[in-house]
Amino acid sequence: SYVLTQPPSVSVAPGKTARITCGGNNIGSKSVHWYQQKPGQAPVLVIYYDSDRPSGIPERFSGSNSGNTATLTISRVEAGDEADYYCQVWDSSSDHQVFGTGTKVTVL
Amino acid sequence: QVQLQESGPGLVKPSETLSLTCTVSGGSVSSGSYYWSWIRQPPGKGLEWIGYIYYSGSTNYNPSLKSRVTISVDTSKNQFSLKLSSVTAADTAVYYCAREGRGEHEHDYWGQGTLVTVSS
Repeated sequence: SYVLTQPPSVSVAPGKTARITCGGNNIGSKSVHWYQQKPGQAPVLVIYYDSDRPSGIPERFSGSNSGNTATLTISRVEAGDEADYYCQVWDSSSDHQVFGTGTKVTVL
Repeated sequence: QVQLQESGPGLVKPSETLSLTCTVSGGSVSSGSYYWSWIRQPPGKGLEWIGYIYYSGSTNYNPSLKSRVTISVDTSKNQFSLKLSSVTAADTAVYYCAREGRGEHEHDYWGQGTLVTVSS
């Protein structure tokens, strides 16, 4: 089955840039979606179709996808960005979807 | 604004069947543009897709759960439901319902989630 690998944790100082990777075999050929989940809350879609932002998501959130790695970038990090982040794709070969292992972002 | 709300028992005994319902407001489960999904998250762990249903009744389940899962839809009530049979402690989780795009399967709206504990 298709596997998406994320680093367990990323730490970043306020105002700096956080980059969260999502690794998968030829993931660049798939559409990647990213979710932010704060403690005790449901996930929120922050990036879809690799790099599109839903209405209401700050421009500080951006995404890219190429080769075997997709990346969620959070610019000018704020304390409120501290959360778990998950990537997700649809695996057409198996006809089901996969979530990444999740990355905890800590704002120092 | 689409809203989803899960409902059902918060405690289920081992070997019994977990049953949850998701009520959709501000949108229609009969929309041809979306699937309606269930996703779960064990305490302290990551997200696991359980499966989805289309308004026509067609379904797609996670192979790891397929033998125990049934998802159904009631268009007259604008609801869809999850049944998971023969539960064990490993099925203890927060269960979310969500709307899933038919194109690339993104989940753009989620319910708040409901914790289901499997215990005698």
